[in-house]
Amino acid sequence: QKEVEQNSGPLSVPEGAIASLNCTYSDRGSQSFFWYRQYSGKSPELIMFIYSNGDKEDGRFTAQLNKASQYVSLLIRDSQPSDSATYLCAVIGGTGANNLFFGTGTRLTVIP
Amino acid sequence: KAGVTQTPRYLIKTRGQQVTLSCSPISGHRSVSWYQQTPGQGLQFLFEYFSETQRNKGNFPGRFSGRQFSNSRSEMNVSTLELGDSALYLCASSLEDRGEQYFGPGTRLTVT
Repeated sequence: QKEVEQNSGPLSVPEGAIASLNCTYSDRGSQSFFWYRQYSGKSPELIMFIYSNGDKEDGRFTAQLNKASQYVSLLIRDSQPSDSATYLCAVIGGTGANNLFFGTGTRLTVIP
Repeated sequence: KAGVTQTPRYLIKTRGQQVTLSCSPISGHRSVSWYQQTPGQGLQFLFEYFSETQRNKGNFPGRFSGRQFSNSRSEMNVSTLELGDSALYLCASSLEDRGEQYFGPGTRLTVT
């Protein structure tokens, strides 16, 4: 059974701070890793993807992948109240071309 | 470029009935995946279609089925609805295997 685990939170950070979201996965064959943001009542929105070990930066977002530790994280710099949402970690495993396995999500609140 | 569209956005059905949901992927995307999201189980993979063929299937009963047309539009069908089928049904399209998936707005199904 492929598993993706996240701290369910809630995570609260003050405006302007760095929010750190973490995720671990069980399938060592996993190849693709994604972070989605989901506002209440809306569908998931893709904000970051990473395929190789290391860091990937896009604006205020940085995704970090460590395949040896089976760990992927998302850093949000200069957090804004509009970043308040549930963040979902998703993984495509070693088999099954496009099966996304999701964590349960971390609810982030950015306090003005 | 237009995003993923889903119709209808909301549905109310009675136990025992059947329902058909529709999804139109982003232009050029040939892979369409379907997911069910509930508060208790989170986001779970239903099945994936590519070039009119089902490539992968999640752990759902046979009451859940789907198909894909030559223009990549996809439908999913749920027969003999149960109360537990009440959920947000999401479809996502992708351009490449193991690549980024983009979600539609979802169909909110309520079974009474």
